[in-house]
Amino acid sequence: DTGVSQDPRHKITKRGQNVTFRCDPISEHNRLYWYRQTLGQGPEFLTYFQNEAQLEKSRLLSDRFSAERPKGSFSTLEIQRTEQGDSAMYLCASSLEIAGYNEQFFGPGTRLTVL
Amino acid sequence: AQKVTQAQTEISVVEKEDVTLDCVYETRDTTYYLFWYKQPPSGELVFLIRRNSFDEQNEISGRYSWNFQKSTSSFNFTITASQVVDSAVYFCALTSLYNQGGKLIFGQGTELSVKP
Repeated sequence: DTGVSQDPRHKITKRGQNVTFRCDPISEHNRLYWYRQTLGQGPEFLTYFQNEAQLEKSRLLSDRFSAERPKGSFSTLEIQRTEQGDSAMYLCASSLEIAGYNEQFFGPGTRLTVL
Repeated sequence: AQKVTQAQTEISVVEKEDVTLDCVYETRDTTYYLFWYKQPPSGELVFLIRRNSFDEQNEISGRYSWNFQKSTSSFNFTITASQVVDSAVYFCALTSLYNQGGKLIFGQGTELSVKP
């Protein structure tokens, strides 16, 4: 399978715990995006990377959130001191940016439930 | 600011009916891209189409067709002879050339239910 993969697919945690999600993009893609989707809503942009550089962060990304893409390949999204409001689907997408705009391909998402 | 509005929250049709999903967008940019994605119950967003702001030609792909009208800032999606497998949530999305990161602005989605 050469698509975008995410791990884990589901995560249940207690409020106050830290969680980390992983995203593996399509191998030759240089851009990687994180989105958050709450029930009944469309995905909302959180942050993106061009290779290993994090170039933009949404105001939705509070100080408790941190994302990395250490070698320009896979990425991790960590949420510290989780809150019930963090419960959502976290989607990762990747694209190959050469010139102009290219489609983003999405992974299956990680569904987070904070109790 | 950029915004995408999908006014239809839920649509229910019977198999073989035609159905149109509406999408209205707002942007001040002159160069932008519009998209439709499908999200089946499994959760993964599946890319359907991309349109740039300079190409107003309608497009047909099998049972799917898209009507892009800049005059009304709309990018509607029609499924002809719907099938049960079309049941999903459909999202319209927008990005701009000036949005260098290419982040997508999504609408709220329309949940389509096709009954046999």
